[in-house]
Amino acid sequence: EPEVTQTPSHQVTQMGQEVILRCVPISNHLYFYWYRQILGQKVEFLVSFYNNEISEKSEIFDDQFSVERPDGSNFTLKIRSTKLEDSAMYFCASTGAGYQETQYFGPGTRLLVL
Amino acid sequence: AQSVTQPDIHITVSEGASLELRCNYSYGATPYLFWYVQSPGQGLQLLLKYFSGDTLVQGIKGFEAEFKRSQSSFNLRKPSVHWSDAAEYFCAVGASSSASKIIFGSGTRLSIRP
Repeated sequence: EPEVTQTPSHQVTQMGQEVILRCVPISNHLYFYWYRQILGQKVEFLVSFYNNEISEKSEIFDDQFSVERPDGSNFTLKIRSTKLEDSAMYFCASTGAGYQETQYFGPGTRLLVL
Repeated sequence: AQSVTQPDIHITVSEGASLELRCNYSYGATPYLFWYVQSPGQGLQLLLKYFSGDTLVQGIKGFEAEFKRSQSSFNLRKPSVHWSDAAEYFCAVGASSSASKIIFGSGTRLSIRP
């Protein structure tokens, strides 16, 4: 069964450093998302992406964040200058273009900012 | 405002006992409802979803959920739990559009008593 993959599974970085989280969505999917889950809290929507543009973003998704689909398979989330409060599990998801499509989630990248 | 409430933070049931996890939602339009499960350190797996039709939906792993519009509820049930069902369960709501974000509840942690 096709699945969403994410790399790395864990990343530790110093505050102020840039990080790039990578995702490979399911191959025929057209809509892509990033969510995050701070330890012990609910999963929160960050951004949705379609046709090489951001469709919607939350108030969490400020200027420190950016997304890109650099080629036909990868979908990345960049955090320009990490803060302690960016420590979280980041989930990528993708879905097809049909009606009532399901969002499939990747296994997540656990980011720790020191 | 769109929101999902899971009133039970933590539930413990005995193996073989029945289970019901509560979920209430607030959503302006016709909701598209989901239950996801997250095992420790793992990603989000879709258990079941509801958009229209029969208000009792069957999912994977023997789970089912019932949509009650009058109560704005979408409770998850299982007649007999197994030790492997111990996990975090998230109720979520979205729109039918593929571009729509999913809004998650805060989750219910399920523990199984041997």
